[in-house]
Amino acid sequence: DAGVTQSPTHLIKTRGQQVTLRCSPKSGHDTVSWYQQALGQGPQFIFQYYEEEERQRGNFPDRFSGHQFPNYSSELNVNALLLGDSALYLCASSRKTGGRYQETQYFGPGTRLLVL
Amino acid sequence: AQSVAQPEDQVNVAEGNPLTVKCTYSVSGNPYLFWYVQYPNRGLQFLLKYITGDNLVKGSYGFEAEFNKSQTSFHLKKPSALVSDSALYFCAPTGANNLFFGTGTRLTVIP
Repeated sequence: DAGVTQSPTHLIKTRGQQVTLRCSPKSGHDTVSWYQQALGQGPQFIFQYYEEEERQRGNFPDRFSGHQFPNYSSELNVNALLLGDSALYLCASSRKTGGRYQETQYFGPGTRLLVL
Repeated sequence: AQSVAQPEDQVNVAEGNPLTVKCTYSVSGNPYLFWYVQYPNRGLQFLLKYITGDNLVKGSYGFEAEFNKSQTSFHLKKPSALVSDSALYFCAPTGANNLFFGTGTRLTVIP
């Protein structure tokens, strides 16, 4: 049973560019959440997708957007990259149960983004 | 407002000794509490969670955690530490919102 997978593993971009990160959830999961983990910090919630719609969003600007496909996989897009966007981007998947957040989120290995 | 505090940035323990990683939280409503572990250059691995019921929760790799509602704490424990337990540990409550992480506690088990 494959766990959560993410691609690419590493990425180097320059300021002002755009980037797309990809995530495939664990088998049987229908909800995908994205987190940003800056160096030395804990993960910060970006947004969550369920039924192909953004359901919740953390305190991130509109430059961060996403998408969920019918097969539950998801993309995270970041426009107009800033140096401060350099971080490990983590995808987590879970099952949705009536809107309550008691379901365990399982994390992928992350994509490390470096913005120069 | 929702918050989590792990008061120790670093915990050192000798191999074979018991370990405790502390966590206190503040959430509105009934809390759901999670512990995750992160190894270098890796994603987060789920250890255990408290939803309701027994205050002592048992999880993966011999870890357990005790929920204390009056002290709003959810400390992670293990009776006998292994060198392979050395990693970064995160306590993460939920509640009205998604998982909320603090800065974590780095555990080092000394051989």
